Amino acid sequence: GAGVSQSPSNKVTEKGKDVELRCDPISGHTALYWYRQRLGQGLEFLIYFQGNSAPDKSGLPSDRFSAERTGESVSTLTIQRTQQEDSAVYLCASSLNRQGAFFGQGTRLTVV
Amino acid sequence: RKEVEQDPGPFNVPEGATVAFNCTYSNSASQSFFWYRQDCRKEPKLLMSVYSSGNEDGRFTAQLNRASQYISLLIRDSKLSDSATYLCVVIPSGSARQLTFGSGTQLTVLP
Repeated sequence: GAGVSQSPSNKVTEKGKDVELRCDPISGHTALYWYRQRLGQGLEFLIYFQGNSAPDKSGLPSDRFSAERTGESVSTLTIQRTQQEDSAVYLCASSLNRQGAFFGQGTRLTVV
Repeated sequence: RKEVEQDPGPFNVPEGATVAFNCTYSNSASQSFFWYRQDCRKEPKLLMSVYSSGNEDGRFTAQLNRASQYISLLIRDSKLSDSATYLCVVIPSGSARQLTFGSGTQLTVLP
């Protein structure tokens, strides 16, 4: 498809388990972002990738969170030892240079 | 001070009304500005970029005031379908953290 694709769309996991979220950006987009949005809250920046530069990880809330991106393609966000406060919608977006970014539909994570 | 500040609203307006939102930003070197809309339980969608000269897209007009460090969005002839949260987004110059979001302004257009 032409848009940003995220999988899975929904994920229910038990507290303490690891989860991996995937983002396929728009082809050719050099920038990729991960955000988190808790219910009724604003967007919380997590991490930003720009081409082959070192990623900006300043928004990751703890060392349980990590993300990777291979070149200008797929990115994965991994949350280890999930906690209930990790429950949120995880949004991925991609953009070309400093233009507006386009978001995927998000992964709704529920930790029980 | 937050990097990007918006009046959270809510704004409740009748159909056909004109409504305006403002957003202020703290980094005077910011270079790129956008408005997004987010419907309930959906992802944010790019509404329009904001250019120094101002720009218009149908019923929507966006303006940038660099001297006062604010951007605005004007919606004319409001439709029921305009009901959403409107997010102001700034890309600060030289910052590695791109796409700084405001907390959003909630708009409800009433029949």
